[in-house]
Amino acid sequence: AQSVTQLDSQVPVFEEAPVELRCNYSSSVSVYLFWYVQYPNQGLQLLLKYLSGSTLVESINGFEAEFNKSQTSFHLRKPSVHISDTAEYFCAVSEGGGSYIPTFGRGTSLIVHP
Amino acid sequence: DAGITQSPRHKVTETGTPVTLRCHQTENHRYMYWYRQDPGHGLRLIHYSYGVKDTDKGEVSDGYSVSRSKTEDFLLTLESATSSQTSVYFCAISESRDGSTEAFFGQGTRLTVV
Repeated sequence: AQSVTQLDSQVPVFEEAPVELRCNYSSSVSVYLFWYVQYPNQGLQLLLKYLSGSTLVESINGFEAEFNKSQTSFHLRKPSVHISDTAEYFCAVSEGGGSYIPTFGRGTSLIVHP
Repeated sequence: DAGITQSPRHKVTETGTPVTLRCHQTENHRYMYWYRQDPGHGLRLIHYSYGVKDTDKGEVSDGYSVSRSKTEDFLLTLESATSSQTSVYFCAISESRDGSTEAFFGQGTRLTVV
């Protein structure tokens, strides 16, 4: 069965500083990996995803994540954060060829201070 | 934005009463999900559907039932509401059978059981 671990429940950073949100997964088969973002009082929306090919994937607003199969990780990074990046971030995994149901981590609250 | 509407958006109900939440989609996606979101637990799957009249249980299905009589509607019923079911409920939809497509989320329903 697949599972997702987000070790950090909260990550405070100052504006323009770099940030990394960690995600590790467990699965016995190949996986598809996703990062979602949730702004206050809203639903989740896709930030980026890894399906296959290049292990580095990017979003349109400067985030990137790298798939590391040997470490079973999919950490999310941004070199310089903005106040508007303050949100809850969820890592999710679904198994290729297995269960199509996504499993979510517990979420990481990114708090950007001025 | 994907066409997903949840109703009601907010509800306060008394312990022991039945409650039904509705999810309506205009995307004709095959798969629909109900999640609950609680602090420290992230998103947990309640029930899901893979077609009309085809539903199955998730990890926290006790006390909940679902129905899907049309492709566009997925109903979640709390048979006898309890305080532990106070939560934010999210409906999601997706199309991919192999899990490679992201899920699209509704805006959520905040349910308070008093």
